[in-house]
Amino acid sequence: GAVVSQHPSWVICKSGTSVKIECRSLDFQATTMFWYRQFPKQSLMLMATSNEGSKATYEQGVEKDKFLINHASLTLSTLTVTSAHPEDSSFYICSAASGRAGGTDTQYFGPGTRLTVL
Amino acid sequence: AQRVTQPEKLLSVFKGAPVELKCNYSYSGSPELFWYVQYSRQRLQLLLRHISRESIKGFTADLNKGETSFHLKKPFAQEEDSAMYYCALSVGGGGNKLTFGTGTQLKVEL
Repeated sequence: GAVVSQHPSWVICKSGTSVKIECRSLDFQATTMFWYRQFPKQSLMLMATSNEGSKATYEQGVEKDKFLINHASLTLSTLTVTSAHPEDSSFYICSAASGRAGGTDTQYFGPGTRLTVL
Repeated sequence: AQRVTQPEKLLSVFKGAPVELKCNYSYSGSPELFWYVQYSRQRLQLLLRHISRESIKGFTADLNKGETSFHLKKPFAQEEDSAMYYCALSVGGGGNKLTFGTGTQLKVEL
């Protein structure tokens, strides 16, 4: 089946530093990848949609200069949290879609990355 | 804008009892509805989607456009069904961005 990996699975950093999270589709090519954020005991909130080779589309209220997304290949998207602060501490989840036509396309989710900013 | 509502944060049932997890949505067009499940310490995975009209692990869900609902049902709950269930909506198919409900924690007790 389709597998999506994320790296790292958890990271602790100091306030003011930048953190990069990788999302990879391991056995399929993902035309679109999504980045979500999940606070404890809350639902997933979409942050941005990234398509390979083009700029990401950010949801309202998400700072694009703070959450840099790069989708350089069909199997890799990265999320960089720049100048991280404690309020950025959260669980970040990516998903990838293969772009199959015919109404059968599905998003496959990564295991998530726990970011803690001290 | 689209919205998904799951009114119950926690649903506790006994093994063998029927289960119904409620989901209501608001969207003026024709959305696609999904149920995702997250077992303990595992990633989110697709359980079923309304266009497939299939039963997965004994679960079914029917899209009711009149009531704008997509409730998840299972006639006899099993212990292994204990998990977090999220209802989600997309416009234009499963490969497009998803709007999630707040989730319902299902606990099946012996």
